Amino acid sequence: DTEVTQTPKHLVMGMTNKKSLKCEQHMGHRAMYWYKQKAKKPPELMFVYSYEKLSINESVPSRFSPECPNSSLLNLHLHALQPEDSALYLCASSRGQAGTNEKLFFGSGTQLSVL
Amino acid sequence: KQEVTQIPAALSVPEGENLVLNCSFTDSAIYNLQWFRQDPGKGLTSLLLIQSSQREQTSGRLNASLDKSSGRSTLYIAASQPGDSATYLCAVPITGGGNKLTFGTGTQLKVEL
Repeated sequence: DTEVTQTPKHLVMGMTNKKSLKCEQHMGHRAMYWYKQKAKKPPELMFVYSYEKLSINESVPSRFSPECPNSSLLNLHLHALQPEDSALYLCASSRGQAGTNEKLFFGSGTQLSVL
Repeated sequence: KQEVTQIPAALSVPEGENLVLNCSFTDSAIYNLQWFRQDPGKGLTSLLLIQSSQREQTSGRLNASLDKSSGRSTLYIAASQPGDSATYLCAVPITGGGNKLTFGTGTQLKVEL
């Protein structure tokens, strides 16, 4: 199994809603990532978890709250988002962050629209 | 700060043509360089990873080269097919940042019948 699975594929939410994005991998990878991608732009790193601990937070607003319940799961909790937060949210994993020659495996993303 | 640029931004070619996509980076102290493919509204698929000690990598019709000293990489696609139509992104790790990647601006490729 070389897949990273993200749910839901599409999400529409209001600015007062609370929702969660989910990501799962069963490749035994110990590093997991959240990226945000606006239309026709490259992905931008949001968070990195290494061995279930948050290792990088790229100054992301607190309305985005990541969670890594175990080595296979990664969540992104959303609350009080703004319309400019509408984007494709990508989850990725790699075998380990310690190595410097690791391929990243990406999920197919959640297309989020904030109304 | 590492900056990664890709040219051209968009490319349209007839089927069967050989083509080259370019990637430039400003900080040559990189551990590796990866090429990804992204279909519209989808995630990224890793195509090739070139380690800093290597000069090129091949996978099927794809060949990627790396010249660290000049800050350049190229992705060569042989005998292009309509199924190759996608956006191609190169990415390099930030020095000392493990797998914290900086992505290029992307090349949107269309291969026409």
